[in-house]
Amino acid sequence: EDQVTQSPEALRLQEGESSSLNCSYTVSGLRGLFWYRQDPGKGPEFLFTLYSAGEEKEKERLKATLTKKESFLHITAPKPEDSATYLCAVLNNNAGNMLTFGGGTRLMVKP
Amino acid sequence: NAGVTQTPKFRVLKTGQSMTLLCAQDMNHEYMYWYRQDPGMGLRLIHYSVGEGTTAKGEVPDGYNVSRLKKQNFLLGLESAAPSQTSVYFCASSYSFHQPQHFGDGTRLSIL
Repeated sequence: EDQVTQSPEALRLQEGESSSLNCSYTVSGLRGLFWYRQDPGKGPEFLFTLYSAGEEKEKERLKATLTKKESFLHITAPKPEDSATYLCAVLNNNAGNMLTFGGGTRLMVKP
Repeated sequence: NAGVTQTPKFRVLKTGQSMTLLCAQDMNHEYMYWYRQDPGMGLRLIHYSVGEGTTAKGEVPDGYNVSRLKKQNFLLGLESAAPSQTSVYFCASSYSFHQPQHFGDGTRLSIL
């Protein structure tokens, strides 16, 4: 069965304290891995798509990387406005082209 | 740009009542999706559509019906609401399966 697991479930950081969020997956035929940000009371907002192992994408303080088993979302020198829930989702051949979402990591950055 | 708009934003129903959730997108996307989000369960796909006039079942389709009569609209119906359908419902759209999905801000539905 396809699984997407995110860790940790919650992460508290001080402003400027860099860290990484993990998304591990057990799917065959990965066709893409997506990262989203979700603010309270809002829908998920697209951040990155990664299609193959070794690929990296960057946007401001965020950098996403992908291996054959997991993806990391690195946050460099975070600010309070980076506080949100970060979701990853995988698209694979066996799931009828449906996205399988992880449970998310709730990030809190304190000033 | 409006993007994906969901109506209503909040609704409270009694068990057995019916209702329809409306999703509208202005990005000319072919693909549209309905998800539900529950604590500890993540986002789960209910139904989706790959174009006007088409619908397909997702991971958790029981108790829901959908229609896509116009390309820009995707309706989610609950014929006889049950407390287990209390959730936050999100609509999304995309150009294709491989492209990022764009989400609305959700409908918070409580069934008593």
